[in-house]
Amino acid sequence: GAVVSQHPSRVICKSGTSVKIECRSLDFQATTMFWYRQFPKQSLMLMATSNEGSKATYEQGVEKDKFLINHASLTLSTLTVTSAHPEDSSFYICSAGAPGLAIREQYFGPGTRLTVT
Amino acid sequence: GIQVEQSPPDLILQEGANSTLRCNFSDSVNNLQWFHQNPWGQLINLFYIPSGTKQNGRLSATTVATERYSLLYISSSQTTDSGVYFCAVSTGFQKLVFGTGTRLLVSP
Repeated sequence: GAVVSQHPSRVICKSGTSVKIECRSLDFQATTMFWYRQFPKQSLMLMATSNEGSKATYEQGVEKDKFLINHASLTLSTLTVTSAHPEDSSFYICSAGAPGLAIREQYFGPGTRLTVT
Repeated sequence: GIQVEQSPPDLILQEGANSTLRCNFSDSVNNLQWFHQNPWGQLINLFYIPSGTKQNGRLSATTVATERYSLLYISSSQTTDSGVYFCAVSTGFQKLVFGTGTRLLVSP
């Protein structure tokens, strides 16, 4: 199966600072990547769709100026949480899909646990 | 938007028991996936099953797209099956909407 990695796996930062999370497709090219957020004991909620070479599409209620997404290559998307606050503490998970796999099937990274103090 | 409900929300089993998890969705879909989220948060792909039936070892899944539901069967459960099971669907370009999840605990 396709492999998606994320870095870092865990990060603690102080309120007001910015944090960058990387998502990589290791053995396939991902024209589209997705970023999800999961709060404790809740389901995953889609934040944004990241398309290689173009602007990300954000879901309703997600602040695009706070969650900056860059998809500069076919194997890398980054999510930057700017001016983080304690309420941004969450589990962030990326996924990727690509033509040539089971077309619409998505594969998920291991997630990044963000704690803002 | 599409609604995805899973049942039961919580399930406790003795090792060796069988179980059926259900996923109901409110609209036609072109993608349905089942995932197991392990205690470390990793989502593991179980099935890509927009329709039909598939089996993989002790797990099998059936999606009846016309009636808008999918079932995940776990046979001879093991403690390593513990975790949260999600179904997720999409109606368009790969955007997945996740269900509410079933939290499974298998005790020895």
